Amino acid sequence: GAVVSQHPSRVICKSGTSVKIECRSLDFQATTMFWYRQFPKQSLMLMATSNEGSKATYEQGVEKDKFLINHASLTLSTLTVTSAHPEDSSFYICSARDPKGVGGGQETQYFGPGTRLLVL
Amino acid sequence: AQSVAQPEDQVNVAEGNPLTVKCTYSVSGNPYLFWYVQYPNRGLQFLLKYITGDNLVKGSYGFEAEFNKSQTSFHLKKPSALVSDSALYFCAVSALGAGKSTFGDGTTLTVKP
Repeated sequence: GAVVSQHPSRVICKSGTSVKIECRSLDFQATTMFWYRQFPKQSLMLMATSNEGSKATYEQGVEKDKFLINHASLTLSTLTVTSAHPEDSSFYICSARDPKGVGGGQETQYFGPGTRLLVL
Repeated sequence: AQSVAQPEDQVNVAEGNPLTVKCTYSVSGNPYLFWYVQYPNRGLQFLLKYITGDNLVKGSYGFEAEFNKSQTSFHLKKPSALVSDSALYFCAVSALGAGKSTFGDGTTLTVKP
């Protein structure tokens, strides 16, 4: 099945620094990737939709200057948390869709393993 | 607009008993429906999906789900629960061309030995 990786799996940083999280589709080309944030024992909150070669579409309430998304290639999207603060500590998950999936398969999202961010 | 409701935050089942995790949805047009499972500190794993065809969909790890159009439901089921099935389960809906899926709030399944 389709595989999506994330790097790093865990990161601890100081307040005020920036952190970059990578999301890669390993065995398919993903024109669309999604970035989610998940708080403990809560559902996924969609932050933004990342489209290869164009600007990301952010959900209401998500600061685009705070959470920079770049989808430079069909297999890589990055999320940069700029000037991180303790309230940015969370579990960040990316997902990707395989546009060549047939019979509605292109709607299936394949998730990365997540990145645990802790800002001190 | 599309939405998903998982009415139960928690489902507790004894090992060996059948389990059901409920999901209802609202979407314009024909729905694409999904179930995902999440283990602690991990990403989501795809379990199964309904796109079209048979209302009963079989997926990974012995799970199945039944699409009921009249009740707009897509409940997840398994005939005999295992302790290892204990996890957080998410239902999701998407409409063709919607661009994104909408996830329910999740249901924590606990299977006790």
